[in-house]
Amino acid sequence: QVQLVESGGGVVQPGGSLRLSCAASGFTFRNFAMHWVRQAPGKGLEWVAFVNYNGNDKYYADSVQGRFTISRDNSKSTLYLQMNSLRPEDTAVYYCAKDEVAPTYYYMDVWGKGTAVTVSS
Amino acid sequence: EVVLTQSPATLSLSPGDGATLSCRASQGVRGALAWYQHKPGQPPRLLIYAASTRATGIPARFSGSGSGTDFTLTISSLEPEDFAVYYCQQRSSWPINFGQGTRLEIK
Repeated sequence: QVQLVESGGGVVQPGGSLRLSCAASGFTFRNFAMHWVRQAPGKGLEWVAFVNYNGNDKYYADSVQGRFTISRDNSKSTLYLQMNSLRPEDTAVYYCAKDEVAPTYYYMDVWGKGTAVTVSS
Repeated sequence: EVVLTQSPATLSLSPGDGATLSCRASQGVRGALAWYQHKPGQPPRLLIYAASTRATGIPARFSGSGSGTDFTLTISSLEPEDFAVYYCQQRSSWPINFGQGTRLEIK
């Protein structure tokens, strides 16, 4: 079945770096755009970043622009999020999500279970 | 940037009741709006896309309506498993935004 599994979360000090991964299975990964979405403790959902099917087109939330980099390796069916210059406000559960379109409207139809990131000294 | 405002923030109802959740966009998003259900410890679940199309496997008691700036998620008769937080999301323009959520709680 279609599945997304995140990994790489943990505890990191402010100013540190972390790389999240999202392993995809059950669908042709290279054909679909992907997202990262996060939820800070006690807060709502916040979209973080988008990458198109071949990695050539990327968008970021203002809150992470210049610090986070989304990428993908279609040969490994894996999505990444490189997070640098981490701040306490980046503490959250990070979800990867698959993009879908039908017929001209886009949405996130499959989500991973998330990986927790804590930024604290 | 499109800002989504959901109301009410919290809705207290009983199983069997009907629920109406609202999402208002700061500018028109055509039909590029989706609704998600989120329960603690679980990933978000897609309910509705293109404002009114139910996602695969979503029960018929969930329905979406609206276009432009005003959208509604309706749950016709609440089941115990429907108590959760509901988010709307716009895909009309970048950046993608979610509303702040409506918490549907048991009365």
